[in-house]
Amino acid sequence: NAGVTQTPKFRILKIGQSMTLQCAQDMNHNYMYWYRQDPGMGLKLIYYSVGAGITDKGEVPNGYNVSRSTTEDFPLRLELAAPSQTSVYFCASSYSPQGSGYGYTFGSGTRLTVV
Amino acid sequence: QQQVKQSPQSLIVQKGGISIINCAYENTAFDYFPWYQQFPGKGPALLIAIRPDVSEKKEGRFTISFNKSAKQFSLHIMDSQPGDSATYFCAASGKSSGDKLTFGTGTRLAVRP
Repeated sequence: NAGVTQTPKFRILKIGQSMTLQCAQDMNHNYMYWYRQDPGMGLKLIYYSVGAGITDKGEVPNGYNVSRSTTEDFPLRLELAAPSQTSVYFCASSYSPQGSGYGYTFGSGTRLTVV
Repeated sequence: QQQVKQSPQSLIVQKGGISIINCAYENTAFDYFPWYQQFPGKGPALLIAIRPDVSEKKEGRFTISFNKSAKQFSLHIMDSQPGDSATYFCAASGKSSGDKLTFGTGTRLAVRP
């Protein structure tokens, strides 16, 4: 099925460890996004990309890094994990920056716990 | 200036009732206002959207009402069903935000049978 695939679905990290959250889409969307979702806080944009080789910071980028070497993949890297990074992470893609028409297509999320 | 304020945080409605969720924005440059629906364990999905050139948009049981002068918009779910139980997010975007969506904090709706 076409869509956004995120791996892993769950992960427990120890403080100071690093990991990469994987995101892949097969819809040939240029626009891709990483959000974190915390209870009562909604969705906060971490990083976004408007095409291969182009990335930019969102609202809450500290402690994260991204790369976009292909149209399909947009991995999110966590360096030196901290308890404040405990969250549910969503990757999304869209045909247009507003997502008008079909909207943003979200993955099913990665639930990360830092202990 | 990029905030979108959403209320209530949670809502309980009886089956067949009307669910109403409200959002307010500050940035007058916003020109696109979607609502997203999220079921547990899933990512959000576009439900319905409106642009400021109309005051209302209806799709089935879901209606967006838009008040440009008050900088407010709301989602109305008519004849609410248990299957509508989900978290709803309003959002807004415009050129000033690079057209990227700014989301509200979400409303958890529970529809009782």
